[in-house]
Amino acid sequence: DAKTTQPNSMESNEEEPVHLPCNHSTISGTDYIHWYRQLPSQGPEYVIHGLTSNVNNRMASLAIAEDRKSSTLILHRATLRDAAVYYCILRDVRGNTGKLIFGQGTTLQVKP
Amino acid sequence: GAVVSQHPSRVICKSGTSVKIECRSLDFQATTMFWYRQFPKQSLMLMATSNEGSKATYEQGVEKDKFLINHASLTLSTLTVTSAHPEDSSFYICSARPGGAKNIQYFGAGTRLSVL
Repeated sequence: DAKTTQPNSMESNEEEPVHLPCNHSTISGTDYIHWYRQLPSQGPEYVIHGLTSNVNNRMASLAIAEDRKSSTLILHRATLRDAAVYYCILRDVRGNTGKLIFGQGTTLQVKP
Repeated sequence: GAVVSQHPSRVICKSGTSVKIECRSLDFQATTMFWYRQFPKQSLMLMATSNEGSKATYEQGVEKDKFLINHASLTLSTLTVTSAHPEDSSFYICSARPGGAKNIQYFGAGTRLSVL
């Protein structure tokens, strides 16, 4: 699976939007872009995924660059409960083992 | 959303004993389950892919005789850490993928293993 690059950490103020970037310059045409997050001492939680078009769900929005070499996870209004490590992961649907390879992720701190 | 239950949530054992961790998909059938390990301040490391009714596929560097995986049904996979030693102390996390949903994995809450 292709590699992703994320900032180690970011800070946000409560109730403000947060834009978490992810670079994946070696993405292939069959790679889906996935975002998971992990709250302290818990298992990861699915956030959102996409292929080419921007995606929205109740948790977040995913903005994918036109060349697909980068993407941004958008939390529209950060809360203290959004403080977590956010992982951007590429998964190739070919072969279809479904396994996810986690990088170091971005640790998001939300300040009251 | 789908629920994956992992048990126990925490275990403390003596060196040399074996520990079994269960991972259950509560409201869906999971043909594939995954086991991860996470050391403090580090990311998740995939240990193995578990397929119902067949042998698990281990990632490079993971000892299959040390970490026994059984996926006997579509809702249960177990990880047994055999002859555990202090260096096996870690946070073990399972995940499950519903058969029809290729893109989403659901994770258990994790098991914190402390080997004395």
